[in-house]
Amino acid sequence: NAGVTQTPKFRVLKTGQSMTLLCAQDMNHEYMYWYRQDPGMGLRLIHYSVGEGTTAKGEVPDGYNVSRLKKQNFLLGLESAAPSQTSVYFCASSKPDSPRYFGPGTRLLVL
Amino acid sequence: ILNVEQSPQSLHVQEGDSTNFTCSFPSSNFYALHWYRWETAKSPEALFVMTLNGDEKKKGRISATLNTKEGYSYLYIKGSQPEDSATYLCALPPGGNTGKLIFGQGTTLQVKP
Repeated sequence: NAGVTQTPKFRVLKTGQSMTLLCAQDMNHEYMYWYRQDPGMGLRLIHYSVGEGTTAKGEVPDGYNVSRLKKQNFLLGLESAAPSQTSVYFCASSKPDSPRYFGPGTRLLVL
Repeated sequence: ILNVEQSPQSLHVQEGDSTNFTCSFPSSNFYALHWYRWETAKSPEALFVMTLNGDEKKKGRISATLNTKEGYSYLYIKGSQPEDSATYLCALPPGGNTGKLIFGQGTTLQVKP
């Protein structure tokens, strides 16, 4: 059981470039989430999904898109990266009304 | 917007000390409260999910209580050890929307040997 995995672990982008972060879970969880962590801001929810084919906005969705085409995968896209999106991104999954299981994080630096 | 407050922001204790910190939240429309432990350079790890007023949960030397009527939860660590050094986060789903989980800023605990 790998739990929640994230790809890549670290990435450097130039302003305006695009990229996709991949999250995968092998626990058959219905719910998946993307959070970002910034100094002094704690963990903030970007987008989440309560099932395959469904997504919803979190606290800070602007500048990001997500897709949940398969139950085990949740993709986070940045169409045109900005320096303000420099952050550590955490994916998580859970059953409904249950604790979140977090992935190891992706460090993103936008220059 | 759900306001989740944690205090203190940081705490330094000696090995062997017992300590506690607080998570405060609006008492209306309570659904559940989560506690997580987050060690540096790792991912947050769930400690407890609490749903009922008066709930008490325990995991080793760590325990938590919940008062939904007055809107707070306490996390206690008995006989702190250096490996307890971490940031402790509480989080709640706003208005029962269990897809969302709004995190507090956390309490960072440092235990000195």
